[in-house]
Amino acid sequence: QKEVEQDPGPLSVPEGAIVSLNCTYSNSAFQYFMWYRQYSRKGPELLMYTYSSGNKEDGRFTAQVDKSSKYISLFIRDSQPSDSATYLCAMSSSLSNFGNEKLTFGTGTRLTIIP
Amino acid sequence: GAVVSQHPSRVICKSGTSVKIECRSLDFQATTMFWYRQFPKQSLMLMATSNEGSKATYEQGVEKDKFLINHASLTLSTLTVTSAHPEDSSFYICSARRAGTDTQYFGPGTRLTVL
Repeated sequence: QKEVEQDPGPLSVPEGAIVSLNCTYSNSAFQYFMWYRQYSRKGPELLMYTYSSGNKEDGRFTAQVDKSSKYISLFIRDSQPSDSATYLCAMSSSLSNFGNEKLTFGTGTRLTIIP
Repeated sequence: GAVVSQHPSRVICKSGTSVKIECRSLDFQATTMFWYRQFPKQSLMLMATSNEGSKATYEQGVEKDKFLINHASLTLSTLTVTSAHPEDSSFYICSARRAGTDTQYFGPGTRLTVL
């Protein structure tokens, strides 16, 4: 079993729809959760960063973490064609100024927003 | 912002040659840099973690003598793929963690093709 599971998609939705992207994980030590967006042939770009359980909102994006269920989500409201990309979840058990903290990534979900 | 650059963006080489990839943090100091590889439609796989001025820490299964990493300064890390073979063809991405923060910022990636 992978530490982080993510549906690879592809996922296609019409412009303006609400998109829900999810990851599950098995390592209960994970405390830091991130969502990255990766356009084709580019490096990942950090979208959202959350610590422990709860919600975080940034514009059209909302990240949710449910540690009891080991489940995280990213919601995109009013989706736009420019949101078409691969979305990767990532998580870590510890982050510090001195440690070699590692991120464990999901496989990524390919999202296409249809105009 | 936090900008990370990689050079070259694309390289094609013959089997048996060595290739050096540079990763630079342009507007911040990075105490830790990470090197990943990504195969088509797959997630990022961490290869190694490097701290400025010390030896890199390699992930299990990654040959340190084949993938030489040098983190010579707070803004520059290099990955040298020695005696490259066609199976080394991949998308190599670096990330840099800004000193005093928790998040990683990714470079745009380098596509290596070994003929």
